[in-house]
Amino acid sequence: LAKTTQPISMDSYEGQEVNITCSHNNIATNDYITWYQQFPSQGPRFIIQGYKTKVTNEVASLFIPADRKSSTLSLPRVSLSDTAVYYCLVGDLPGDDKIIFGKGTRLHILP
Amino acid sequence: DAGVTQSPTHLIKTRGQQVTLRCSPISGHKSVSWYQQVLGQGPQFIFQYYEKEERGRGNFPDRFSARQFPNYSSELNVNALLLGDSALYLCASSLSDPQRGRKAFFGQGTRLTVV
Repeated sequence: LAKTTQPISMDSYEGQEVNITCSHNNIATNDYITWYQQFPSQGPRFIIQGYKTKVTNEVASLFIPADRKSSTLSLPRVSLSDTAVYYCLVGDLPGDDKIIFGKGTRLHILP
Repeated sequence: DAGVTQSPTHLIKTRGQQVTLRCSPISGHKSVSWYQQVLGQGPQFIFQYYEKEERGRGNFPDRFSARQFPNYSSELNVNALLLGDSALYLCASSLSDPQRGRKAFFGQGTRLTVV
């Protein structure tokens, strides 16, 4: 499974766009990139998943360059409720949904 | 539709005791995984079951065991509890079908405190 590296923590202000970048230099051809969000004492929640280029949903956008060695989660116009830990995950094991979490990025939104 | 449900939500046990945690996956999901999350760390993979078969096991001692039932619900058992077993235990379910997505849905977890 490819290892990921992301910032330990980030601060931003309400209304700003927040970009969290994740490095995954050893990503394999079949690997997808997935981001989860976790609030204290709750289970992680799926945010977005992509393979290449750009993916957008109602919550976030995911930008993946052509070499796929990194990815950027973009949260538009954050609010205080976006304060959470964000995990970047890489992998694709058909029939095996083992997820290897790293330390994640603690995002703190300030008023 | 109900999400992944775990019971109990909180539990206090004494060192040396045994505990059983329960998980009901989303309807239609055949894959269930268990994770342990200690304070300040990311979730650590313990077990994955698919169609009642163990598909994966993380780096946990034999005191940890699990099983999946015909209705795809699952139990995690921990024997001879240690103080270090205090954590949030998370269950996740997924379709485990590459054609229909590769995302897992997590329950709210069971907070286990060992005293």
